[in-house]
Amino acid sequence: GAGVSQSPSNKVTEKGKDVELRCDPISGHTALYWYRQSLGQGLEFLIYFQGNSAPDKSGLPSDRFSAERTGGSVSTLTIQRTQQEDSAVYLCASSFDRVGANVLTFGAGSRLTVL
Amino acid sequence: GENVEQHPSTLSVQEGDSAVIKCTYSDSASNYFPWYKQELGKRPQLIIDIRSNVGEKKDQRIAVTLNKTAKHFSLHITETQPEDSAVYFCAASRVDTGRRALTFGSGTRLQVQP
Repeated sequence: GAGVSQSPSNKVTEKGKDVELRCDPISGHTALYWYRQSLGQGLEFLIYFQGNSAPDKSGLPSDRFSAERTGGSVSTLTIQRTQQEDSAVYLCASSFDRVGANVLTFGAGSRLTVL
Repeated sequence: GENVEQHPSTLSVQEGDSAVIKCTYSDSASNYFPWYKQELGKRPQLIIDIRSNVGEKKDQRIAVTLNKTAKHFSLHITETQPEDSAVYFCAASRVDTGRRALTFGSGTRLQVQP
């Protein structure tokens, strides 16, 4: 597609429920990232997929968080048993990730509110 | 892993003045340093980047400088305009081998007063 698409744009859920957030990267981009941005805060790295390599999961805050990328394209971030501190905007980004530069194109984000 | 510190957290300048934002990084293997601008309610967008083989790069009113020895880099905006008001993020990563995920600083909220 023309840009990185994320859905849903807004999600309100109750504490303890599971949520799934979807990211559709730019066609041809080999790298896909998930970041979390809490209100007024910075960009917290969560997970990074690059081609067929094992994903870099070093930023996932707990085992309630998981992500997968099917067929090297669409990615789903799953948060199980949501907590209020999970409330944030979850940003997906993709890039060509070529040697020498790594320009990320971000999606509009999925705003998650846990009541 | 990489750790990027950014300051100041907020910066207010008069229109036409210059603004400088500074970042330090911890991993000497990092060799790529981009800056992203995030306007209110919008997604971050790349405004300029620099690789470790150069010390300075300019693009119209913005410039970035890099000191690899000291492991710090800075964003300079000259002749600031109200539309420069936004949150600016620095970042660092490797772009040759190894982990390429960008580590971002905590952001600087720049307000340009008309």
